[in-house]
Amino acid sequence: EAGVTQFPSHSVIEKGQTVTLRCDPISGHDNLYWYRRVMGKEIKFLLHFVKESKQDESGMPNNRFLAERTGGTYSTLKVQPAELEDSGVYFCASSKTGVEQFFGPGTRLTVL
Amino acid sequence: GQNIDQPTEMTATEGAIVQINCTYQTSGFNGLFWYQQHAGEAPTFLSYNVLDGLEEKGRFSSFLSRSKGYSYLLLKELQMKDSASYLCAVRDTNDYKLSFGAGTTVTVRA
Repeated sequence: EAGVTQFPSHSVIEKGQTVTLRCDPISGHDNLYWYRRVMGKEIKFLLHFVKESKQDESGMPNNRFLAERTGGTYSTLKVQPAELEDSGVYFCASSKTGVEQFFGPGTRLTVL
Repeated sequence: GQNIDQPTEMTATEGAIVQINCTYQTSGFNGLFWYQQHAGEAPTFLSYNVLDGLEEKGRFSSFLSRSKGYSYLLLKELQMKDSASYLCAVRDTNDYKLSFGAGTTVTVRA
């Protein structure tokens, strides 16, 4: 069984540009989560999808961040326009039951 | 809000035992998880405790005391490959999101 995959693995952009991160969950997992780890801090929750619906987006930092999961399969997280403080590692996780969450390897975003 | 504390670093010798403590103060509680993360890789699930007591899984065991807001992860017969970051995470009562501690970096020395 393939695990959670994320693309790209690394992204380096300039302040003000737009970046779109993609997550492919494990097949059949209705629950999909986005988390972020900024340097030196703990991993923090961003939002949770159940199929294509946003269940909880309380962790989204501001309206520069937009997450979608059209069709209830893969998800994208767009940052527009990117700021320096957006740099960090963005993790995606999926779960079938909502208990055990399987994490992807993350996308390391650097905003210059 | 959630407040989850764990030590920053621990060092141990190959073959030894290490115990990583985690204390939490959370607005709700619906389970505590331990994850292992090697540098540059995905966090991988190690254990899940929702009731008080000890859960054993091979060389790894996890303990929970809900009344004390305390958990520990016990790693026995340490191997070099166990050098990694260990993350303590708490799930809230009414939703599935995880709140993480900052992680404990364990270094295993020969």
